[in-house]
Amino acid sequence: SAVISQKPSRDICQRGTSLTIQCQVDSQVTMMFWYRQQPGQSLTLIATANQGSEATYESGFVIDKFPISRPNLTFSTLTVSNMSPEDSSIYLCSVGDTRSYEQYFGPGTRLTVT
Amino acid sequence: LAKTTQPISMDSYEGQEVNITCSHNNIATNDYITWYQQFPSQGPRFIIQGYKTKVTNEVASLFIPADRKSSTLSLPRVSLSDTAVYYCLVGDMYSSASKIIFGSGTRLSIRP
Repeated sequence: SAVISQKPSRDICQRGTSLTIQCQVDSQVTMMFWYRQQPGQSLTLIATANQGSEATYESGFVIDKFPISRPNLTFSTLTVSNMSPEDSSIYLCSVGDTRSYEQYFGPGTRLTVT
Repeated sequence: LAKTTQPISMDSYEGQEVNITCSHNNIATNDYITWYQQFPSQGPRFIIQGYKTKVTNEVASLFIPADRKSSTLSLPRVSLSDTAVYYCLVGDMYSSASKIIFGSGTRLSIRP
């Protein structure tokens, strides 16, 4: 298993600003994922962040709005740019286990945009 | 795109067996079926995963029929601490051709 931490755990931001969320893993992993979970809803995959290559974004999510960095095998950041109230959500990162198809999730970052 | 469908909510009592079914009619050949449990203010936690037939671990069993168009998560002898949202997920995280899609989730409430 992997232990994942996220910073910040929560934040309240003004519309039009940007917030960078950090995801730290206690071991080297190949695949990292970023999800969004709106209140009372299921998880939606934003993008897959692989070390050494550009992130792969899912339909409806673009790099200009959600730029992702993956500088090494234990760390990734997701930036939510030019925020609007519609971006209020919980953002979660997860990592994939190459020995199985399990994902391990971080605790999430609760973002409120006012 | 393998969309999944689950019951929105279920209720049961302590000590009972709970079965939650997920439909995934368009599952692809390389897709695995995975179930996660999520408590409030926490990230989802892996429960069980399977490709076909039956899988059992110390927490649950997963039943997958031959056509793989559905799956059933079985929780034996539930307790109050099993109250959570359960998500069915279909996909292959290692395949660029597969999409990782979480189901809508089933909110399970266990009563004394």
